[in-house]
Parts: sequence; structure tokens; C-alpha cells
Amino acid sequence: DAGVTQSPTHLIKTRGQHVTLRCSPISGHKSVSWYQQVLGQGPQFIFQYYEKEERGRGNFPDRFSARQFPNYSSELNVNALLLGDSALYLCASSWGGSGTEKLFFGSGTQLSVL
Amino acid sequence: QQQVKQSPQSLIVQKGGISIINCAYENTAFDYFPWYQQFPGKGPALLIAIRPDVSEKKEGRFTISFNKSAKQFSLHIMDSQPGDSATYFCAARERNAGGTSYGKLTFGQGTILTVHP
Repeated sequence: DAGVTQSPTHLIKTRGQHVTLRCSPISGHKSVSWYQQVLGQGPQFIFQYYEKEERGRGNFPDRFSARQFPNYSSELNVNALLLGDSALYLCASSWGGSGTEKLFFGSGTQLSVL
Repeated sequence: QQQVKQSPQSLIVQKGGISIINCAYENTAFDYFPWYQQFPGKGPALLIAIRPDVSEKKEGRFTISFNKSAKQFSLHIMDSQPGDSATYFCAARERNAGGTSYGKLTFGQGTILTVHP
């Protein structure tokens, strides 16, 4: 079975631009979470969606938004990119939304903002 | 605000040795504590997890020790192997004020483990 797939794997943008990152969860998984991992640090929670509804939001500005589609795939959108948005963006899926189910992470999208 | 503090930042052990990574937390609303392993270019992968009503959990060469009163927990890797060389993250899930929970994990800063052959 395919794991969590994210696209693109790498992305280079300039300040002020907008970016859309995509995630396909493992088949049967209804929850998708997004994390930002800055080099040398642990992942930071951005959003969780379960059954297409936002279940949680981390301490990120409104420039960050996300949605989950009927097939449970998800998009993370970031507007007005800043240099500090450069990071590895990780998507994780799980069967349920309580947080104690095993989280499966994708390999991430490496975003560089110049 | 760093809610989960992890140490050491890096660790070098010899093959066959014991690797020990420690984490501490302040938030008493944390109720689930997983450990993740991350290899370069890959996302984190769950190794082992524990709930605070258990003081120790062992799976193969990996053991979590949990001290609820001290708000500390640690990962022990027995018989460390070169293939264990990776970055390890502790994490914690927070139960929200309503008593329900969702999937937000708070991660530590990570420990880069190097196992020499």
C-alpha cells in the first residue's frame, strides 16, 4: 500500500508569492495533519483536519490556510511568503482524529523562499 | 514557547551500547507521549509511545521510562546499532480544556544519534 504522498517534493518561491502544497493520506485514513519543520528543530503543528472539518490550529498566522477534500486529500496554502517560511512541510495521516492513533508522516515538501 | 524540552542535542555511542534520550514537560494536560525516529530526507516514523498511567513500556530494543511526578520521560535504546543513527524526537499530545483531544503533537527539539561501528 502507498504511504502518505506529498507533492511537490521541492519548491523554490520568492518573497510575497503564494504556494500550495498537496497531501494524499493513506487509503482509509480520515485525518490529515500539517507540520512545519525548520532545519534543526522538531516539527511544529499547523493544522489538523478530520472528516473534512478543521479540528485544530497551531500558532501560525492567517497567511496559512488548509482544507480537506471529500477523498480526504488535503492542501496547505501559504500566502505572502516570508523568508522565515522556508522549511520542510510535513503531512501526516491517521485513521482517527484523537491523536493517539499512529501518525504516518510523508517525506515532506522542502520549501525555499528567496 | 518550548513545551517539551529534549536533551541531549546530539549523542554518540558505540555499537552495542545504550543510548538514552531525555525529555521534560510542564503542561499537565499532556496525556500521550510518542517517540519518533527520522532519517535524512524522510518524515518522522513512530517508534514507541506511552500513556502517563504506565511507568515503563518496552518494544524490542526500545524502552520508554515515564516519571509522572517529575514530568519526565526517556527513551532507552539497548544494543545500539549503526542503523539506529538518526534524529529522535519526543512528543506529547495535549488534551484540550473540554476534555476531548485531537491530533496536535508538541515535539521536542530532537537528538541526533550517531552509533559508531
